[in-house]
Amino acid sequence: GAVVSQHPSRVICKSGTSVKIECRSLDFQATTMFWYRQFPKQSLMLMATSNEGSKATYEQGVEKDKFLINHASLTLSTLTVTSAHPEDSSFYICSAIMRDPLSSDLTQYFGPGTRLTVL
Amino acid sequence: AQSVTQLGSHVSVSEGALVLLRCNYSSSVPPYLFWYVQYPNQGLQLLLKYTSAATLVKGINGFEAEFKKSETSFHLTKPSAHMRDAAEYFCAVSDPGGNTPLVFGKGTRLSVIA
Repeated sequence: GAVVSQHPSRVICKSGTSVKIECRSLDFQATTMFWYRQFPKQSLMLMATSNEGSKATYEQGVEKDKFLINHASLTLSTLTVTSAHPEDSSFYICSAIMRDPLSSDLTQYFGPGTRLTVL
Repeated sequence: AQSVTQLGSHVSVSEGALVLLRCNYSSSVPPYLFWYVQYPNQGLQLLLKYTSAATLVKGINGFEAEFKKSETSFHLTKPSAHMRDAAEYFCAVSDPGGNTPLVFGKGTRLSVIA
């Protein structure tokens, strides 16, 4: 099946620094990717929709200046957490939409997630 | 707006017993429905999805789910639980088409007792 990767899988940083998380679709092109956040023992919450070649669309309550999203190519979206604080510590998961070349069916595939810990 | 309610944050079954994880949805349009499994510190793995074709959907690892419009439900079942089924399970809903983000339920943790 289709594979979506995330890098790094884990990152620990100091408060006030910035962290970049990459989401790649490894064997398909994705014009749309989504970024979700999952706090411990909670569900996934959509943060933003990343569209290749255009600005990301952020969900209500998500600061666009703090969570910078860049979808520069059809296989890569990046999420940069700027001036990170301990409350930003979370599990960040991306997903990418793949179109089946035969059926044109759209399926969303999830990355393995990135665990961010801000000290 | 769409929403998903998973009844029971924790379900415990004996090995070999029936697994039933409940999911009810709310959607103003015919929905796509999904079940995902998440093992500790890992991402999500798709178990199965309903996209308006057959109402009984068979997935991986012996799981299946039935879409019941009259009950707005999409419960997940497996006839016989294995120890390896112990994980967190999420039900999710999206608009039809497959190109919109998913709205997830709060999850149900499945424990399997030997």
